[in-house]
Amino acid sequence: GDSVTQMEGPVTLSEEAFLTINCTYTATGYPSLFWYVQYPGEGLQLLLKATKADDKGSNKGFEATYRKETTSFHLEKGSVQVSDSAVYFCALSTLQGAQKLVFGQGTRLTINP
Amino acid sequence: DTAVSQTPKYLVTQMGNDKSIKCEQNLGHDTMYWYKQDSKKFLKIMFSYNNKELIINETVPNRFSPKSPDKAHLNLHINSLELGDSAVYFCASSQDLGYGARKLFFGSGTQLSVL
Repeated sequence: GDSVTQMEGPVTLSEEAFLTINCTYTATGYPSLFWYVQYPGEGLQLLLKATKADDKGSNKGFEATYRKETTSFHLEKGSVQVSDSAVYFCALSTLQGAQKLVFGQGTRLTINP
Repeated sequence: DTAVSQTPKYLVTQMGNDKSIKCEQNLGHDTMYWYKQDSKKFLKIMFSYNNKELIINETVPNRFSPKSPDKAHLNLHINSLELGDSAVYFCASSQDLGYGARKLFFGSGTQLSVL
């Protein structure tokens, strides 16, 4: 079945450090890929998306590129801020299962000042 | 205005009780969901409704019964609560982005603690 695997957390960085959170997927067909973010005490919200191979999603300084050859969608940010501290979820959906979003296990990110 | 609102935010109850969580969305979306997030933050879909019709039921025990009186509401009723039901339950609704992609809008969650 479809699945998403993220790097184990928690991840702790200093402010202005470079961030990478790895995400790989297994899916039938060609999935759409997403990163969601969950701030403390809140529900998840969409951070960025890519719907086909080589697409780059970007938002709030975060970027991720849909790599079909490596089945990956790694999240990157050049200079993190304390306000980026949250749990990040990689997710996918497919045409066959468009109504269902399959999430990775989440990666907790803490940024220290 | 809150787009997806669920109540209550916290629910503490004894094993064996029956409880309900309510969810409403004012986004005009056709599809609503219930997700369960365990203590390790793992998020798993439980149910999905489209225009009041059940379309996804992910092998959830039949103690869990969703009810959708209209497309703006999706409530979750849980019978005979067990310790393992303790989790955060998220309601969501979705917008079709095309290409088989949907953007989900989540409520802020209901933290259920079964004692």
